[in-house]
Amino acid sequence: EAQVTQNPRYLITVTGKKLTVTCSQNMNHEYMSWYRQDPGLGLRQIYYSMNVEVTDKGDVPEGYKVSRKEKRNFPLILESPSPNQTSLYFCASSLIGQGQIYGYTFGSGTRLTVV
Amino acid sequence: GESVGLHLPTLSVQEGDNSIINCAYSNSASDYFIWYKQESGKGPQFIIDIRSNMDKRQGQRVTVLLNKTVKHLSLQIAATQPGDSAVYFCAEIKAAGNKLTFGGGTRVLVKP
Repeated sequence: EAQVTQNPRYLITVTGKKLTVTCSQNMNHEYMSWYRQDPGLGLRQIYYSMNVEVTDKGDVPEGYKVSRKEKRNFPLILESPSPNQTSLYFCASSLIGQGQIYGYTFGSGTRLTVV
Repeated sequence: GESVGLHLPTLSVQEGDNSIINCAYSNSASDYFIWYKQESGKGPQFIIDIRSNMDKRQGQRVTVLLNKTVKHLSLQIAATQPGDSAVYFCAEIKAAGNKLTFGGGTRVLVKP
């Protein structure tokens, strides 16, 4: 089944404790991206990657890191999480055609709480 | 800045009636539009898309209309069912763009 898989689904952590949220897709998509979803603020892009070893900042990159060492994986790293990073996170992937991305396929989400 | 927005945050619909969800966009360079459905506890799911060179596109029980003159996008759901209860987002991509920009979402509540 074509899908984007995120882990974990739920995570509660303490301020300052480094964590990684994994994302993997099995559709051979070039493009991958991370979004956070907050009430009243909607879906905001954190980082994206157009291909292996190519990553760029989205709208809200502060406090996050990503890497794209393999085409299928795009982990989101929080080096020193803070309570304002409590949110629902989504990983998404897409084909790139004629230089443009198309509709995203989203993962099921990771609910992160930082206390 | 340029944005994609929605007119109504909540839409209450009687089961069996048609639903219409509206979306305004301000970027005339947008080339491609998508509607997503997000059920509680799940990630957004693709419903239907439309390119800027089209006015209308139909899927199964859904129709998307694009009015470029007034920069307006709508999603029509025919014979709304309880399973249609969800938050619906419109999203846009600029030509050769590298990200989707999402609207704020409309919650659809289907009354039995």
